[in-house]
Amino acid sequence: QKEVEQNSGPLSVPEGAIASLNCTYSDRGSQSFFWYRQYSGKSPELIMFIYSNGDKEDGRFTAQLNKASQYVSLLIRDSQPSDSATYLCAVNREGSQGNLIFGKGTKLSVKP
Amino acid sequence: ETGVTQSPTHLIKTRGQQVTLRCSSQSGHNTVSWYQQALGQGPQFIFQYYREEENGRGNFPPRFSGLQFPNYSSELNVNALELDDSALYLCASSPSGSPKETQYFGPGTRLLVL
Repeated sequence: QKEVEQNSGPLSVPEGAIASLNCTYSDRGSQSFFWYRQYSGKSPELIMFIYSNGDKEDGRFTAQLNKASQYVSLLIRDSQPSDSATYLCAVNREGSQGNLIFGKGTKLSVKP
Repeated sequence: ETGVTQSPTHLIKTRGQQVTLRCSSQSGHNTVSWYQQALGQGPQFIFQYYREEENGRGNFPPRFSGLQFPNYSSELNVNALELDDSALYLCASSPSGSPKETQYFGPGTRLLVL
């Protein structure tokens, strides 16, 4: 079982819809969770981070964390064509000296 | 823009050669992490440097080595290059390497090994 798993997609949604991206992780010692967006040929840029169970909202983005079920999700409301990118889920473990474990990423395509 | 810079942006080497990649961390950050991202994969942790000391290492062979300088900039050295080393190499900086800190990525160096 991989440490961080994401559906590779592509996930296609129409403009204005809600895009839902999911991630599961295997290590119960994981304590911090990050969503990065990566445009083709570019480096990852931080979208959101979350540490506690529940929801965290930032503009059109909502991160959801459920440690009991070991999953974290990212919702993008009012999706725009500019949101088309690969979304990487990353997890950091307690005592890991800060190295991030990434999933393979989910490719999102928002159709006009 | 994260304030993290990397050089060079692109590099072509042949198998068996050696390469040095460079990274300048964001102002105020004393921790640098290096990642390798193969095509279609997520980044994989190579190692992290905190105040000039290696502070953790991923599952990479010893021919991957690094340095961090007093100004917290860093180098990644790869010896005896193999075809599978072709990838995007990413440097990320953070304030102190704590697991709860956000890591900010530079633009990356794309390495092609022929």
